[in-house]
Amino acid sequence: GAGVSQSPRYKVAKRGQDVALRCDPISGHVSLFWYQQALGQGPEFLTYFQNEAQLDKSGLPSDRFFAERPEGSVSTLKIQRTQQEDSAVYLCASSPSVKNTEAFFGQGTRLTVV
Amino acid sequence: AQKITQTQPGMFVQEKEAVTLDCTYDTSDPSYGLFWYKQPSSGEMIFLIYQGSYDQQNATEGRYSLNFQKARKSANLVISASQLGDSAMYFCAMREGGTGFQKLVFGTGTRLLVSP
Repeated sequence: GAGVSQSPRYKVAKRGQDVALRCDPISGHVSLFWYQQALGQGPEFLTYFQNEAQLDKSGLPSDRFFAERPEGSVSTLKIQRTQQEDSAVYLCASSPSVKNTEAFFGQGTRLTVV
Repeated sequence: AQKITQTQPGMFVQEKEAVTLDCTYDTSDPSYGLFWYKQPSSGEMIFLIYQGSYDQQNATEGRYSLNFQKARKSANLVISASQLGDSAMYFCAMREGGTGFQKLVFGTGTRLLVSP
């Protein structure tokens, strides 16, 4: 597709359930970011990949959060044993180079933990 | 301390008028980039405009311009000739450091409502 694609668009999980959120970046984009956006807030950085290498995971809130990009294209953000405070929109963004003067965002996955 | 401050939770403007959305930033890094994104109700963050700290001129992209005042550490977004479709959340963001990877730090956003 032409843009960054995220799936699912909406996910409802019971507390304690594991979830996996998928991001398909724009083809050929080197950089990939995950952000978490709580209701009424701006996005907050979670993690960054340059190709398949995860260069920064300083924003991951706990060891329940795990991200991967094994072939340098599609990325998956996994949240284990979900808790209510994990409810948020998870945004994925990609950038064509490491210069990162422009990042293209997907529409996000809205996760609701009940 | 907040890296990015957007003091206007909401703004109203009439169609065809200009509006300025405020953004101030805090950094000690001489090399940084400033971004504005639009987020409609669909949720996607749409890139609008970018200003590098060493850019001599204010950035412009169509109806969007960035009023960059380096000494005051402000990077206000000006939207000229507002349209109904401009109603959305607007986020200011900053990237610190050189042209290598750096995460974006976002403000809390300003909700713009354009009325007919």
